[in-house]
Amino acid sequence: SAVISQKPSRDICQRGTSLTIQCQVDSQVTMMFWYRQQPGQSLTLIATANQGSEATYESGFVIDKFPISRPNLTFSTLTVSNLSPEDSSIYLCSVEADNYGYTFGSGTRLTVV
Amino acid sequence: GEDVEQSLFLSVREGDSSVINCTYTDSSSTYLYWYKQEPGAGLQLLTYIFSNMDMKQDQRLTVLLNKKDKHLSLRIADTQTGDSAIYFCAEIPFTGGGNKLTFGTGTQLKVEL
Repeated sequence: SAVISQKPSRDICQRGTSLTIQCQVDSQVTMMFWYRQQPGQSLTLIATANQGSEATYESGFVIDKFPISRPNLTFSTLTVSNLSPEDSSIYLCSVEADNYGYTFGSGTRLTVV
Repeated sequence: GEDVEQSLFLSVREGDSSVINCTYTDSSSTYLYWYKQEPGAGLQLLTYIFSNMDMKQDQRLTVLLNKKDKHLSLRIADTQTGDSAIYFCAEIPFTGGGNKLTFGTGTQLKVEL
């Protein structure tokens, strides 16, 4: 299965700033997925990122707030812009694994103060 | 839309069996998954089951699928303290399009000595 390196693992950011999260995969993958997990909640899909095209965002998520880059088949970034305390969450990237499942990064725990 | 539902909390004694239940939304879902999330960590794929199967066993884990009732369960035999974590079921709804995982609400398993 693919191995994902996600960073940073955690960060504390000021309101109004932005945080960019990186995910590096050890093999080429077509689709990468970005999820948000709010405190005590389940995971919600933010967007799907394909290389060479714009990301596809789920209802309730917009590109201006969550811009995504996908410059090649092994790398993607998610930026959370204009931070507010409500953005405090764990953000996770994911790719399809070889065994019909999905592999996840270790997550980025964001706290906005 | 409908939620993938799980009971929030389960407490068992070490050595007992744990059964975590999930009610999913789409009877056309092809794959159903169980993930484990330990504190401060990402998601670990535990097991999955194809929709044409009723049961799957993998060491201490047994997955049961009742398609008629859209009910999925995960049984952990001889539960250990290291099994303490949050467990998420997940499906890929046929009606959702693409490869989008929809997660359950999560069940926190606490294993007591």
